[in-house]
Amino acid sequence: RKEVEQDPGPFNVPEGATVAFNCTYSNSASQSFFWYRQDCRKEPKLLMSVYSSGNEDGRFTAQLNRASQYISLLIRDSKLSDSATYLCVVSDRGSTLGRLYFGRGTQLTVWP
Amino acid sequence: SQTIHQWPATLVQPVGSPLSLECTVEGTSNPNLYWYRQAAGRGLQLLFYSVGIGQISSEVPQNLSASRPQDRQFILSSKKLLLSDSGFYLCAWSDAFGTGRNQPQHFGDGTRLSIL
Repeated sequence: RKEVEQDPGPFNVPEGATVAFNCTYSNSASQSFFWYRQDCRKEPKLLMSVYSSGNEDGRFTAQLNRASQYISLLIRDSKLSDSATYLCVVSDRGSTLGRLYFGRGTQLTVWP
Repeated sequence: SQTIHQWPATLVQPVGSPLSLECTVEGTSNPNLYWYRQAAGRGLQLLFYSVGIGQISSEVPQNLSASRPQDRQFILSSKKLLLSDSGFYLCAWSDAFGTGRNQPQHFGDGTRLSIL
């Protein structure tokens, strides 16, 4: 069983749409959660951390449901520049290593 | 601010040739360091990680090796490359674990390696 599972998509949405990505993780002891964004042929970049109470950064909202081991990312008012692959990332048990597990990503294309 | 440098950006190597990819981090001390590989259309695969100088842990057995000769330098090597070694190699760093939470990792620009 994979540590982190995501719907690979692709999601194709028009500009201005709201789109949501989901992610599930297998290790109930995971303590840290992140969303990364990866543009084509580029390195992954941290989009936002995900906190237990949920958090928002502009048009982006992240939610965590520990009971269901489920993380979500909501993008409102989509822009063309949001087109990318979004990676769900989960930590291990919080060892000194800082081992992170990356999902394979959900591809988003925003069209004009 | 912290920066991570990785080179070269692109590399084309024949099968059986050696490899050396270098990564350096600036603006932080005693970072955790990581080497990942991403094959075309695939997810990130952790290859090696290090929590200190000279300390290397391997995630998968293969013909690659890593070394950390200095606090902020991480090197990925191979004596003989295979066709299956082609991919996008990424170096990353993070602050050491603290406050009960794992820290996010920050990636270099990556090296696109093609084996012919």
